[in-house]
Formats: sequence, C-alpha cells, structure tokens
Amino acid sequence: ETGVTQSPTHLIKTRGQQVTLRCSSQSGHNTVSWYQQALGQGPQFIFQYYREEENGRGNFPPRFSGLQFPNYSSELNVNALELDDSALYLCASSPRTSGFSKETQYFGPGTRLLVL
Amino acid sequence: DQQVKQNSPSLSVQEGRISILNCDYTNSMFDYFLWYKKYPAEGPTFLISISSIKDKNEDGRFTVFLNKSAKHLSLHIVPSQPGDSAVYFCAASAGWSGGSNYKLTFGKGTLLTVNP
Repeated sequence: ETGVTQSPTHLIKTRGQQVTLRCSSQSGHNTVSWYQQALGQGPQFIFQYYREEENGRGNFPPRFSGLQFPNYSSELNVNALELDDSALYLCASSPRTSGFSKETQYFGPGTRLLVL
Repeated sequence: DQQVKQNSPSLSVQEGRISILNCDYTNSMFDYFLWYKKYPAEGPTFLISISSIKDKNEDGRFTVFLNKSAKHLSLHIVPSQPGDSAVYFCAASAGWSGGSNYKLTFGKGTLLTVNP
C-alpha cells in the first residue's frame, strides 16, 4: 500500500506565472485536502476535494484552484504567482465515511515552490 | 487571529526524560485534536488524536491530555528518544458540516530536541 505522493518535489517559478502541483492519495482514500505551509508557520488549509467537487475552502483567493480526478488524485493550480506564494504545499488524503466519525488526514512529503 | 497556539517555539530534553509539548486553542467549536510530527523535507506524520469527549488518549510512549475548560492540550512523550527530535504540530478541527470537519487548523509548531 503506497502512501500519499506529490510531484514535483521542488519548483522555481517567476512572478505572474502559473503552476500545477499534483497529488496521488493513499489507497482507499477518497478525500484530498491541500495546505500551504509558509516558512516558520503551521500548514494553512487551502481547500478540500471529495468526489471530484470542492468541499470546503480556506481563506485563499480564487487564483488558487484545484481538481480531483475519478481515481481520487488531485491537482492544485495557482495562477498569477506572487512572491508570497513561495511555500511548501502539502496534500493530505483521508477516507470519507458516511457517518460522523473523524478520520485522520495523512500527508504527502510536499512540493516546495519558490517564486522569484 | 491564531486559533491554535503553540507558545514554545522550541524544547530541549534529555534522552529518557519526559517531553511535554503544549497547545492552546481559542475556538470553542473545536472538537477533535491531533498531533503531527514533522522531520525536515518530509510531510507531517500523524501521531495521536483525541476527541473532545475524552480527556486522555494513550498510544505507547505518547499520551495526549485535553483540558476543555482551559482550552488546553498537551502531548507527553515518555521516555523521550533522540529519534523523537522533530517539529511537533498541534491541529484541531470543528464540528461536522458536510465535510468541513476535515479542515485542520494548525499551530506554528514546537521544535523538540532530545539530547543523548
């Protein structure tokens, strides 16, 4: 059973460019969440995808968008990159049950994005 | 407005002794709490969690205590080992509203160093 994987591991872009980050969820997990971790900070929730639809969003502008595919993998797209977008982008997957139980999120290693 | 606070940026303990990491929260809607450990160049790894209906949860060397009236939780590691040296994040989630229970709010982390 493979864990959560992310690609690429590192990326350098310039201001104004667009970037796509990818995430493969852990086997059996149907929910994917994306987080941004700036230097010296804890991860901040960007959004979550469940059954290919956005299901909850944090305080991030619309230029942050995403997709989830039928195999539950996901992409994070960021348009019009700004210097402050430089951060570690983490993907987390979890199983979504029909009940009210809390399910743990399992994180990938992250993609480190540097915007120059 | 930081809803989850880890006020100690770092903690240093001797091998074999107890490590106590603290976390405070302000949002009384939080009802599920988690601790994650993070090594450099890796994503956060889930350690232990606790629901608000409990005040203690134990898993091997790790115990989490929750004091709801004080809005405070702590992670105890006994005995501490050099391999425990990492950044520890406290995280919380609030309620259930069609999926947003998966939004985790993180603290800034505490760097634990266990000296041999």
